[in-house]
Amino acid sequence: EAGVTQFPSHSVIEKGQTVTLRCDPISGHDNLYWYRRVMGKEIKFLLHFVKESKQDESGMPNNRFLAERTGGTYSTLKVQPAELEDSGVYFCASSPLLAGGPDTQYFGPGTRLTVL
Amino acid sequence: AQKVTQAQTEISVVEKEDVTLDCVYETRDTTYYLFWYKQPPSGELVFLIRRNSFDEQNEISGRYSWNFQKSTSSFNFTITASQVVDSAVYFCALNTYNTDKLIFGTGTRLQVFP
Repeated sequence: EAGVTQFPSHSVIEKGQTVTLRCDPISGHDNLYWYRRVMGKEIKFLLHFVKESKQDESGMPNNRFLAERTGGTYSTLKVQPAELEDSGVYFCASSPLLAGGPDTQYFGPGTRLTVL
Repeated sequence: AQKVTQAQTEISVVEKEDVTLDCVYETRDTTYYLFWYKQPPSGELVFLIRRNSFDEQNEISGRYSWNFQKSTSSFNFTITASQVVDSAVYFCALNTYNTDKLIFGTGTRLQVFP
């Protein structure tokens, strides 16, 4: 069974440009999460999809970040326009949808974003 | 609010030594889940273990063992007879029955030297 995949693995862009990150969850996982780790700090939650709906977007830093999950399959995270402080590693995770509380989240390899 | 503290920023050991990574958590929820993830140099986050708040039994998996103590709000991770391949950043994390999002500690970088 394929794990969570993310594309691209690395992205280097200039301040003010737009970048779109993609995440393909494990097949059958209705929960999809985005997290970010800024250099040297903890991994922080950005948002949570249940199928195509945003369940929790309390971690999104500002309106320059737009996440979508059309059709409830893969998800994209767009940063527009990118700022220097957006640099970091963006992780995607997925888990099955259970009735009795959250299940284990399985993570992708991450996308390392560098904004110059 | 939930919080996870990993006080050890970096640990260095020599191969075959035992090493314990500390994790202290805070939550007011009575039903919660604790996790350890490993991040090797390649960068991905690898799931190691999940523990729910009602199960305080210690767990052993090969050279890995976990000690969950609710009395001290700790979920420590021990590697016995460490190996070079254990070198990685290890993250402790927490979520609750009511909140899916994981709260991570800042991670502990473990370096195992031959």
